[in-house]
Amino acid sequence: ELKVEQNPLFLSMQEGKNYTIYCNYSTTSDRLYWYRQDPGKSLESLFVLLSNGAVKQEGRLMASLDTKARLSTLHITAAVHDLSATYFCAPARGSGGSNYKLTFGKGTLLTVNP
Amino acid sequence: DAGVTQSPTHLIKTRGQQVTLRCSPKSGHDTVSWYQQALGQGPQFIFQYYEEEERQRGNFPDRFSGHQFPNYSSELNVNALLLGDSALYLCASSDLGSHSGANVLTFGAGSRLTVL
Repeated sequence: ELKVEQNPLFLSMQEGKNYTIYCNYSTTSDRLYWYRQDPGKSLESLFVLLSNGAVKQEGRLMASLDTKARLSTLHITAAVHDLSATYFCAPARGSGGSNYKLTFGKGTLLTVNP
Repeated sequence: DAGVTQSPTHLIKTRGQQVTLRCSPKSGHDTVSWYQQALGQGPQFIFQYYEEEERQRGNFPDRFSGHQFPNYSSELNVNALLLGDSALYLCASSDLGSHSGANVLTFGAGSRLTVL
C-alpha cells in the first residue's frame, strides 16, 4: 500500500521568505501531482511531474521530483499572502485499462503572514 | 466550459439512512473518480468509473457503491450511514483516452455530508 508523508504539516512564514515542503512516498509511482486547496473549496491542480528529475515552475512555486529517492519538493520563493492555503502532494499509479489513482498526503497548511 | 459539477452541495442525514451524490464530469472527460475528504485530512480514493464499469476501488466497504451513466455522469451511493461517513465527497474527472500525458484530474467543489 502506497503511503505518503508530507512535512511540515503546518507552516507559518513571513512574506518575502523562502521555504520548502517535502513529500515522501513509500513505493514506486508513475507520476506525482501537487494540488492547492483554499478553505471550504475544492482542489486546484498546480503541477504534474511525470518523470525522474522533472521540475516545473509557476510564479513563486517550483516543484521537483526524484523518483529514486521517492521524494518531491514544493519550493516557495518570496512568499506572499495569496499563497496561504493547504498544499497536497499525491503520487499516482495507473494500471492497464484504468486511469490514475491518486494517494494524497495529509496536506501542509501554509499561512503567510505580513 | 463547465468544469466538474456536483450535487447537492450540502446535506444532512441521520445514521442508518442512505444517500446519493451526483457528479457531471468536465466536458470531454470520460472517467470519474470519487474521493472522501474527512475534516483536516487529505482526500481518500473511493473508486473510479470508466465505460460504465468500476475500474479501481480503494479501501471502502461495500456500503459505498457507484454508477456511471452513458453520458459519463456518475453517482455515489452510501447505505447504512455511520457518523464516520461525515465528510466532503469530491468527484474528479479525467480523460482516459487522452495521450497528452499529463492526465490531470479536475475536481468538483464537493458535496459536504453531515451524518447525525
